[in-house]
Amino acid sequence: AQTVTQSQPEMSVQEAETVTLSCTYDTSESDYYLFWYKQPPSRQMILVIRQEAYKQQNATENRFSVNFQKAAKSFSLKISDSQLGDAAMYFCAYRSQETSGSRLTFGEGTQLTVNP
Amino acid sequence: NAGVTQTPKFQVLKTGQSMTLQCAQDMNHNSMYWYRQDPGMGLRLIYYSASEGTTDKGEVPNGYNVSRLNKREFSLRLESAAPSQTSVYFCASSEEVYGSRAAQETQYFGPGTRLLVL
Repeated sequence: AQTVTQSQPEMSVQEAETVTLSCTYDTSESDYYLFWYKQPPSRQMILVIRQEAYKQQNATENRFSVNFQKAAKSFSLKISDSQLGDAAMYFCAYRSQETSGSRLTFGEGTQLTVNP
Repeated sequence: NAGVTQTPKFQVLKTGQSMTLQCAQDMNHNSMYWYRQDPGMGLRLIYYSASEGTTDKGEVPNGYNVSRLNKREFSLRLESAAPSQTSVYFCASSEEVYGSRAAQETQYFGPGTRLLVL
């Protein structure tokens, strides 16, 4: 079974600065997807960014980018020019491409605080 | 286009009572999911439905039943609620096409239902 670990329960960043959230995962599969989801106080789960394991290039979405290290099974999220609206719980998630059923395995989450 | 909707938003139950959580999506997605989120933990899969008429157990199915009523709707039922089922419940959907690498495989979540069992 796959596992996802987020070793930073809490992180803080100053507005306009850059922060990196860590995620590691364990799998024996070679084909899978990785995601970062954001959960603001409203509790809605919002997709931030996704990465296909077969792609070497790191995904980027505006101020959000990932550092995907497949051999190290590491998938960190970098938020540049942090904004107050980025404050939320961030979840890393894994999805197998090799088995049917699009089930996501989530990490424990990292609570991000953005200080003005 | 409302995406994924859930009702109710909040519910209080007494131990032993039953209730059904409703979920609907208007994105014509094949797959639907029910997760629960407990404090300090990520979401855990309860049940999922890969297509209309099929359902499968996830990581934590005990104490729950599901019904995939049609392509749009996927309900979660607690037959005899227990305090351990106090949680926030999320429904999600995705355009699962097995073996496909389409972007639609991303899961889209509803706003959640907060359930308190006393």
